[in-house]
Amino acid sequence: GAGVSQSPSNKVTEKGKDVELRCDPISGHTALYWYRQSLGQGLEFLIYFQGNSAPDKSGLPSDRFSAERTGGSVSTLTIQRTQQEDSAVYLCASSPKISGELFFGEGSRLTVL
Amino acid sequence: EDQVTQSPEALRLQEGESSSLNCSYTVSGLRGLFWYRQDPGKGPEFLFTLYSAGEEKEKERLKATLTKKESFLHITAPKPEDSATYLCAVPRSSGGSYIPTFGRGTSLIVHP
Repeated sequence: GAGVSQSPSNKVTEKGKDVELRCDPISGHTALYWYRQSLGQGLEFLIYFQGNSAPDKSGLPSDRFSAERTGGSVSTLTIQRTQQEDSAVYLCASSPKISGELFFGEGSRLTVL
Repeated sequence: EDQVTQSPEALRLQEGESSSLNCSYTVSGLRGLFWYRQDPGKGPEFLFTLYSAGEEKEKERLKATLTKKESFLHITAPKPEDSATYLCAVPRSSGGSYIPTFGRGTSLIVHP
């Protein structure tokens, strides 16, 4: 069984460009989370999807960040007009149940020049 | 405000030198405390879940314990391959859902 898959693994972009990061969760997992991890920092919550419920967007740092989850499976995190402070590793995780353990992908490392 | 604090930030051990990592939390209505291991360049990997004070879980050289205010991850006779960052997390309430909130982690290096 495949784990959580994220792409791209590395992305270098110029300031002001838009980027899309993709997450393919474990099949059957209803919960999906996006976190951001900056160098030397902890995991910062961004957004949470649970089944067909409205997503919890309380962690998104600005309106340049958005995410969607299509068909209860694949999720895309979009960052518009990227800034240098957006440089970080973006981690996606899925879980088979509410408040359950998380299964993480390898992350997408974003570098904004 | 719900918080998760880990100590120490970094720990260097000699192979075979046992020690403990601490995770203290302030959250109302604990719905589990989770330990993860993260290797460089990788996503965190789940280790343990603890739900109630007094509970213990073991896996190889690791043992996790839980009290009402903190959790310990005991490492017995560590080996170099135990070197990693260890993260703890507790779910915090957020508009009807529960979002795992992570501590900053303890970076463990075990020297041969």
